[in-house]
Amino acid sequence: KAGVTQTPRYLIKTRGQQVTLSCSPISGHRSVSWYQQTPGQGLQFLFEYFSETQRNKGNFPGRFSGRQFSNSRSEMNVSTLELGDSALYLCASSLGPAPISTEAFFGQGTRLTVV
Amino acid sequence: DAKTTQPNSMESNEEEPVHLPCNHSTISGTDYIHWYRQLPSQGPEYVIHGLTSNVNNRMASLAIAEDRKSSTLILHRATLRDAAVYYCILRGQSNFGNEKLTFGTGTRLTIIP
Repeated sequence: KAGVTQTPRYLIKTRGQQVTLSCSPISGHRSVSWYQQTPGQGLQFLFEYFSETQRNKGNFPGRFSGRQFSNSRSEMNVSTLELGDSALYLCASSLGPAPISTEAFFGQGTRLTVV
Repeated sequence: DAKTTQPNSMESNEEEPVHLPCNHSTISGTDYIHWYRQLPSQGPEYVIHGLTSNVNNRMASLAIAEDRKSSTLILHRATLRDAAVYYCILRGQSNFGNEKLTFGTGTRLTIIP
C-alpha cells in the first residue's frame, strides 16, 4: 500500500510569508502528527490530529497551525515565516485512536528554507 | 514523558552484531519501549517495541532488562544500510489516546565496511 505522502518535498520562502504543507496519510489511518526537525533542536512534536480534531499540541508559537480533513489528509500552516523556521517538517500517520503501542509511519518530509 | 539516555554514537563492523543500549531508569510500569531509526535524508522508521518480554521481528531484537530500567536493540548482522540514527522512546499512559512521540538525541550508528 502507498506510504505517507508529503508535498511539496522542497520549498523556499521569504521571511514574512506564509506556507502550507500537505500530508496524505496511509489509507485507513486516521491519526496524523507533525514534527519539526532541525540540526539544533532535533525532532520536536508540533501537533496531532485525529478525526479532524487536534488532540495534542507541542510547544510552538501560534504561527504554527494545522487542520485535518474528513479524508484524514492534513495540512500545516506557518504564518509570518522567520529564518528559524527553516527545517525538515515530517508528518506521521497511524491507525489511532491509540493503544499506546501503535507504530507511526513517517513521510519523507518537506524541506522548508526561509531566506 | 519519561526520559531515555543513549550514547551519542557507536561504530560497528559490517556483518557483525550490534547492541544499541538505552537507559530509562524512570520508566513506569505501563510504559512501552519503542525504537525508531532515521536513515539519511528520510523520515524516521519504526523498528520494534516491547513492554516486558524480549521481542523479535524481521529487523531486530529488543532485549528488556528484568527491572525494565534499560533495554538493548540488537541488529544481528549489521549491513551498510543499517547506518542511521536510532531513537529509543518511551510511550506510557500519558500517551494513551494520542500519538505523540518524544524523540531524544538518539545514537548515530556508523557501519564500517
